[in-house]
This record gives sequence, structure tokens and C-alpha cells, in this order.
Amino acid sequence: KNEVEQSPQNLTAQEGEFITINCSYSVGISALHWLQQHPGGGIVSLFMLSSGKKKHGRLIATINIQEKHSSLHITASHPRDSAVYICAVRLHSGGGADGLTFGKGTHLIIQP
Amino acid sequence: EAGVTQFPSHSVIEKGQTVTLRCDPISGHDNLYWYRRVMGKEIKFLLHFVKESKQDESGMPNNRFLAERTGGTYSTLKVQPAELEDSGVYFCASSQDRGRVNTEAFFGQGTRLTVV
Repeated sequence: KNEVEQSPQNLTAQEGEFITINCSYSVGISALHWLQQHPGGGIVSLFMLSSGKKKHGRLIATINIQEKHSSLHITASHPRDSAVYICAVRLHSGGGADGLTFGKGTHLIIQP
Repeated sequence: EAGVTQFPSHSVIEKGQTVTLRCDPISGHDNLYWYRRVMGKEIKFLLHFVKESKQDESGMPNNRFLAERTGGTYSTLKVQPAELEDSGVYFCASSQDRGRVNTEAFFGQGTRLTVV
């Protein structure tokens, strides 16, 4: 079982819909990242969270440390938001590799 | 400011050949990470450099993989000899070093390696 679980794996929605992608993790973390990858493209960091909530444009990320859960929301979704959204965590020091531990990603398609 | 750049963007090689991937981190970033995504799986950590030193190489799959970061600037990841299961996308990321404080990671475009 992966330490980072994302849901849904695939999501197709209509333009304008409110989108929620969930991420649950099973270990102690020091930070959680939300990343975006467009087809054939590199990875872009959207948010880094250790508590609370962050907002950037139409994107909102929240994290609940006690429940080991984070959500990424997209308001007024647009076809250009179509991408793979990846949740990744940095384990507490000594809890594993130095690098990030990744979820499998959520493949989002926004139809016009 | 230039981002993290990786070269080549694509590489197709035959089994048994050698391939060297290069990553140029953002200038001033001491932390450099290599990751890999194989088909259908999640991205996995390979190793972490702090400047020129290997901080953690626990994710390196076997001794056919050799990473270097001479001078603490760009890094290379050599696969020798390449096997079919090495096919995947290799990502590099860099971040500033602020001790125990988490800093944002910046990723490159990745190198798609296909071993045939």
C-alpha cells in the first residue's frame, strides 16, 4: 500500500465546475506538496503546505494534519486546468528518504 | 531566472548501452534531487545531493545507476548498462537549503528514457 493515496484517480468534469482532489497519507510528514503535470510536460509546484490553507488564483489547498488529509480545490474550472495533479509529502526527518514520497496522481480533464 | 533544466528531453537507446542524463538546477540551490516515474507507477525518489555530497541515495535501484554532482552545480545520472526496466521519465528537482525548514522544490521538464 502506498504511503500517499489520492482520489479520484481520474476525473472528467465540465467547464465551470468546482473540482476537489483528495490526498491521504499514513505517516508523519513535515510538508505536503501539490504538483501539476501537463501532458508531455514537466512538473510545476502549486503549493507547499504544513498547516492550514493556501490560495492562489482559482486554486485552494487545505491540509488537516490530525486527519492526515489534504484537498486541492479548483474553482470555475477551465479546460486549461486539464492535467495530472500529484500530491507528494516530505516525511519527518528520519522517517525515510530525504526526497518526496508521491501519490499516483489524479488525471483531470475539463471539457468545454 | 532560468528554471531547472534537463537534457536530453528524450533518449532512445538499446539494451546494454550507456546513457547519461544531465540536470542543471536553479542557480544557488544546494539541494538537488533525482526522481523516476516508470510506466503506470508513482514517481519515486532516487537520490539527493546537498552541494556535491550525496545526502541520501537510498532510492537508487542498483549499481548500474551512478549519479555525480562535481563542483556542486549540475548533476549527471548515468545508467550503464541500460536494461528494459529502466525506461521511464527521470525528473530532477532543486531547492534552497534552509536547514530543517522546508523549501519549495522546483522541477525540471524530465527526460523520457526508452530502452529497447
